[in-house]
Amino acid sequence: AQTVTQSQPEMSVQEAETVTLSCTYDTSESDYYLFWYKQPPSRQMILVIRQEAYKQQNATENRFSVNFQKAAKSFSLKISDSQLGDAAMYFCACMDSNYQLIWGAGTKLIIKP
Amino acid sequence: GAVVSQHPSWVICKSGTSVKIECRSLDFQATTMFWYRQFPKQSLMLMATSNEGSKATYEQGVEKDKFLINHASLTLSTLTVTSAHPEDSSFYICSASGPRFGYTFGSGTRLTVV
Repeated sequence: AQTVTQSQPEMSVQEAETVTLSCTYDTSESDYYLFWYKQPPSRQMILVIRQEAYKQQNATENRFSVNFQKAAKSFSLKISDSQLGDAAMYFCACMDSNYQLIWGAGTKLIIKP
Repeated sequence: GAVVSQHPSWVICKSGTSVKIECRSLDFQATTMFWYRQFPKQSLMLMATSNEGSKATYEQGVEKDKFLINHASLTLSTLTVTSAHPEDSSFYICSASGPRFGYTFGSGTRLTVV
């Protein structure tokens, strides 16, 4: 069975600094997608970034980038120039063969002003 | 971009009554709808997957007679919590998957059963 592990229940970072959230996964699929979602206090799930496993280039969206290590099955999220609005729960997810998302437990990100 | 409208955003109901939650894809056709339940400070737990025009597939441990899912059209899926009890109180979220491949989430429904 596929699993997604987020080993950091909580992380904190000073505003304007950089923080990296960890995620490892296990899948037997040869082609798959990985996602990072943000859930602010409103609880609306917001897509942060998506990575297609067959692409070697790491995905980037403005201040958000990933370090995708396929062999190590690692998919970490780097947030640069952290802003107060980045405070949220961050969930890592992997798509399975049924197009369902397998979710990590989440990391609560705290931004210190 | 793709939008999924979920209603109601919150609902309080009496124990023993039924509650219906609707999710509509506003600008795309949702071939598949996923229904999740989320407990406080926890991750999303998949309850069921529904495809337009066919019966929903429920995850192990989810009572299909209690959580009725209907996906009658490509733009509307509903979750009905039947004979609700306080233990059904939770946050329910729908997510639609469309042809362009992506997952779009509704804003969630906070259900409180008293």
